[in-house]
Amino acid sequence: TQLLEQSPQFLSIQEGENLTVYCNSSSVFSSLQWYRQEPGEGPVLLVTVVTGGEVKKLKRLTFQFGDARKDSSLHITAAQPGDTGLYLCAGVAYSGAGSYQLTFGKGTKLSVIP
Amino acid sequence: DSGVTQTPKHLITATGQRVTLRCSPRSGDLSVYWYQQSLDQGLQFLIQYYNGEERAKGNILERFSAQQFPDLHSELNLSSLELGDSALYFCASSVGTPNEKLFFGSGTQLSVL
Repeated sequence: TQLLEQSPQFLSIQEGENLTVYCNSSSVFSSLQWYRQEPGEGPVLLVTVVTGGEVKKLKRLTFQFGDARKDSSLHITAAQPGDTGLYLCAGVAYSGAGSYQLTFGKGTKLSVIP
Repeated sequence: DSGVTQTPKHLITATGQRVTLRCSPRSGDLSVYWYQQSLDQGLQFLIQYYNGEERAKGNILERFSAQQFPDLHSELNLSSLELGDSALYFCASSVGTPNEKLFFGSGTQLSVL
């Protein structure tokens, strides 16, 4: 089983600040996904990174996949209260017999205070 | 709205009982996934079905079973329930493999008393 460690576990910042959350593993993934989950809802996919070293930008969010495809980071610029939520990373790895498995980290709970 | 429908939204039951959670995937999606989310364990993969066949198995207990029907809806059966089974259970669907975008339902909150 591939393990994904996310840090920090909790993060509380003021509106307008920048932040970075990390997702690390000892395993190599074919791709890595970032989700955001709000209370009472299921996770919603933000981005998928596939190539080692890949950087993707989504407005104020910047996602980076490590060169070795084992780790990733999410950087938010000028955080807003609407960014509040649980951020989950998930790695896709081949699990044999033609199937792939998506493994989630435990998430970073972000609170942005107005 | 993700297009994935889960019922019921909340379920309260007693230890030793059996419950069935239901999931209707997005139109056109052939894969259904079941996940369990708890505060200490995070989102744990239970099982995946693709077009009616079991495709991948995760940390699913023997007391739990699932199936996907010809109309592609899926059911997760939890039996001999224990207090520790209390959690949010999510269903997700995708066109095929987890390399593609997963769409999650809103979950079923199970409370075992």
